[in-house]
Amino acid sequence: GAGVSQSPSNKVTEKGKDVELRCDPISGHTALYWYRQRLGQGLEFLIYFQGNSAPDKSGLPSDRFSAERTGESVSTLTIQRTQQEDSAVYLCASSPRQGARLEAFFGQGTRLTVV
Amino acid sequence: AQTVTQSQPEMSVQEAETVTLSCTYDTSESDYYLFWYKQPPSRQMILVIRQEAYKQQNATENRFSVNFQKAAKSFSLKISDSQLGDAAMYFCAYRGLNSGGSNYKLTFGKGTLLTVNP
Repeated sequence: GAGVSQSPSNKVTEKGKDVELRCDPISGHTALYWYRQRLGQGLEFLIYFQGNSAPDKSGLPSDRFSAERTGESVSTLTIQRTQQEDSAVYLCASSPRQGARLEAFFGQGTRLTVV
Repeated sequence: AQTVTQSQPEMSVQEAETVTLSCTYDTSESDYYLFWYKQPPSRQMILVIRQEAYKQQNATENRFSVNFQKAAKSFSLKISDSQLGDAAMYFCAYRGLNSGGSNYKLTFGKGTLLTVNP
């Protein structure tokens, strides 16, 4: 596609429910990143994929969070048993490959609200 | 661990005027990249400008320029001839070149909300 696409754009869920957030990176981009942005805060790194493998999951805040990527394309971030502190904007980004200089192209994010 | 600090939660500027957004960072690495991203209400992060630490010359992109002071670990963004469309959150970000092989992770500041007054 023309850019990074995330769905849904907004999600309201009840505390304790599971949610899945989807990211479609730019076609051909092998590197994919998930970030979390809490209200009034900067972006927190969650996880990084190179191809379908995740060499760095260090940013995942708890074992309720998991992510997978298939076909070196779509990625899904799953949050189980959601808590109110999970409310945030979840941003996905992709790059052509790994490299410090390379620009990360971001999607518009999913705003998750846990009530 | 690297940290990025933006000390100005909010800034405002008159249309056509110049504004400077501040950013400082802390790192023990010698090679790295610094970025300024813009986040409009659409939430999509847009790269504004990028600076390579080994280059002494300050990066410039049209009306946007940086003042990179490596010794002081300072990386400010100057917006000249401000336009209404410049209004957004601006984030400073750091990416290490050799952070134990993890040269992919961007570390962000908390952002500065820029308002442009007509």
